[in-house]
Amino acid sequence: GNSVTQMEGPVTLSEEAFLTINCTYTATGYPSLFWYVQYPGEGLQLLLKATKADDKGSNKGFEATYRKETTSFHLEKGSVQVSDSAVYFCALSASSGANSKLTFGKGITLSVRP
Amino acid sequence: NAGVMQNPRHLVRRRGQEARLRCSPMKGHSHVYWYRQLPEEGLKFMVYLQKENIIDESGMPKERFSAEFPKEGPSILRIQQVVRGDSAAYFCASSRSSGRDHEQYFGPGTRLTVT
Repeated sequence: GNSVTQMEGPVTLSEEAFLTINCTYTATGYPSLFWYVQYPGEGLQLLLKATKADDKGSNKGFEATYRKETTSFHLEKGSVQVSDSAVYFCALSASSGANSKLTFGKGITLSVRP
Repeated sequence: NAGVMQNPRHLVRRRGQEARLRCSPMKGHSHVYWYRQLPEEGLKFMVYLQKENIIDESGMPKERFSAEFPKEGPSILRIQQVVRGDSAAYFCASSRSSGRDHEQYFGPGTRLTVT
């Protein structure tokens, strides 16, 4: 079956530090890959996505590259801000036909200190 | 354009009662997904519906849980005879179309507590 594995957390960084959050996946076929962010008390928001191998998704200074050879989609940001403190989820959609249900990793909590 | 609406945001039920969770998708979206988030866990898919049809309910427990998305009105996730293990955050997502490339937009969730 499909699965997503994220690195263990939580992660605490100082403002302006470099961020990497690892994500690997197992899927049949050719999945689309996503990073979602969840702020306290809120629902998930799509941060970025990539739909085929070697695609790079980017948004708000965050980037992730779809690596088919290593089945990975690691999230990076060059300089984090306090406002980036949230829970980050890696997810995939490997739909058969019309069903694009998402398979999520466990999520990782990021705390950024001023 | 309003986002995905869920209500109530918080719901407390005693064991054995019924819980009814509502989800109004974004305007123009006819595809609805329900996910459950247990404490310290990621979201788990429960059910996928299009208007008046259940497409995939493979993630939903066979007993006590049901979902619907009528022609008019919100999608409803219904949990009968709730137990403590049902305590979780339930998220609804909607999309305009189907297929793996189409973004799902999430609601704020309903946090169910069973006492």
